[in-house]
Amino acid sequence: GAGVSQSPSNKVTEKGKDVELRCDPISGHTALYWYRQSLGQGLEFLIYFQGNSAPDKSGLPSDRFSAERTGGSVSTLTIQRTQQEDSAVYLCASSLAPNTEAFFGQGTRLTVV
Amino acid sequence: SQQGEEDPQALSIQEGENATMNCSYKTSINNLQWYRQNSGRGLVHLILIRSNEREKHSGRLRVTLDTSKKSSSLLITASRAADTASYFCATVAGYSGAGSYQLTFGKGTKLSVIP
Repeated sequence: GAGVSQSPSNKVTEKGKDVELRCDPISGHTALYWYRQSLGQGLEFLIYFQGNSAPDKSGLPSDRFSAERTGGSVSTLTIQRTQQEDSAVYLCASSLAPNTEAFFGQGTRLTVV
Repeated sequence: SQQGEEDPQALSIQEGENATMNCSYKTSINNLQWYRQNSGRGLVHLILIRSNEREKHSGRLRVTLDTSKKSSSLLITASRAADTASYFCATVAGYSGAGSYQLTFGKGTKLSVIP
């Protein structure tokens, strides 16, 4: 693919509902990252996948957040029982290998009402 | 926790001037990267400097790294209105064999270049 693709680009959901955010990384990239960015703030690390290794989940803010990466490619970030404080832009990035430049998608803007 | 911290938080300059942004970090790193973000969406990679490098250039960009002071600077020369954006530094910690090369971002510097 041409770049990292995220869907949907915008999502409005009611408090308490579950949401799934999707990330299609660049083909062949072994590393995949998820970040969260609140308005005017920096990027908060959520989770990191590298090949077939166990993911680094140290950034997930609560057990309502989970992510998987199927077949080493597409990743889904799931937020259960959404809260208003979950409103943010969720960014996905991939890189060819660890320690190399990351390529970002355009993000999913999640609004919880 | 955020590894890198940029300084200043906001910078406003005239077109044609140079812009300097600084980044400090806390733990040992494998490399440090700078990214640009326009309008709060996807980030674009600018430059990567490894821990054994001290300076790197790319076009109008110059990055320095001082591992003894745990700091880096990004210089944009002859700035243009199109350089208006937020700039972030990101570090990859020096974990060898630990399996996680987490890329950790600072809060960013918001640069405004006035035409």
